[in-house]
Amino acid sequence: ETGVTQTPRHLVMGMTNKKSLKCEQHLGHNAMYWYKQSAKKPLELMFVYNFKEQTENNSVPSRFSPECPNSSHLFLHLHTLQPEDSALYLCASSQELAGRVYEQYFGPGTRLTVT
Amino acid sequence: AQSVAQPEDQVNVAEGNPLTVKCTYSVSGNPYLFWYVQYPNRGLQFLLKYITGDNLVKGSYGFEAEFNKSQTSFHLKKPSALVSDSALYFCAVRDIKASGGSYIPTFGRGTSLIVHP
Repeated sequence: ETGVTQTPRHLVMGMTNKKSLKCEQHLGHNAMYWYKQSAKKPLELMFVYNFKEQTENNSVPSRFSPECPNSSHLFLHLHTLQPEDSALYLCASSQELAGRVYEQYFGPGTRLTVT
Repeated sequence: AQSVAQPEDQVNVAEGNPLTVKCTYSVSGNPYLFWYVQYPNRGLQFLLKYITGDNLVKGSYGFEAEFNKSQTSFHLKKPSALVSDSALYFCAVRDIKASGGSYIPTFGRGTSLIVHP
């Protein structure tokens, strides 16, 4: 797990706050992902970045705004969240090469509580 | 379109007994299949994958999985369960996206494995 780090590990925020989640990967991968994991629900893919370009936005509300300044760092900017956004937010990375399929490496997650 | 089903929310097994966690999939092209494990308050950890070749894939911590194309299954197995194997297990499939060429993963809902002493 030390290959992908996430900060903070826990975050409590009010619905009017603005906060950011940070992810850093030390594996030299070129693709990064944000997932939302809620209790009793499947893992939800939110965003995918490949070579710093966003390739997927899985119908995520605009109150979630991703940023990928380089292939090692990924941010998720949060504003005016709702209580139902409370969840574990997981970052992952993988090496994507044409014609090859590799596994993903996940960070430990940020446990977000929206009050 | 691709999908993954894990039909059991929970699997209970006694320590020392063999375990099986089930997974079935649906893809339009070639399936690339993965198993991940999640311990409490941790992210997902890669266990093993099937890309091509031998249908029996061996992975970390003594786990293995068998790819069965006719049954579209990729069940996770271990000959002798340990209490420390208790965790949440996810099956995932990656198929080439119809446009763009990128491989987008789809995860199952997860199966909670409980190994009793």
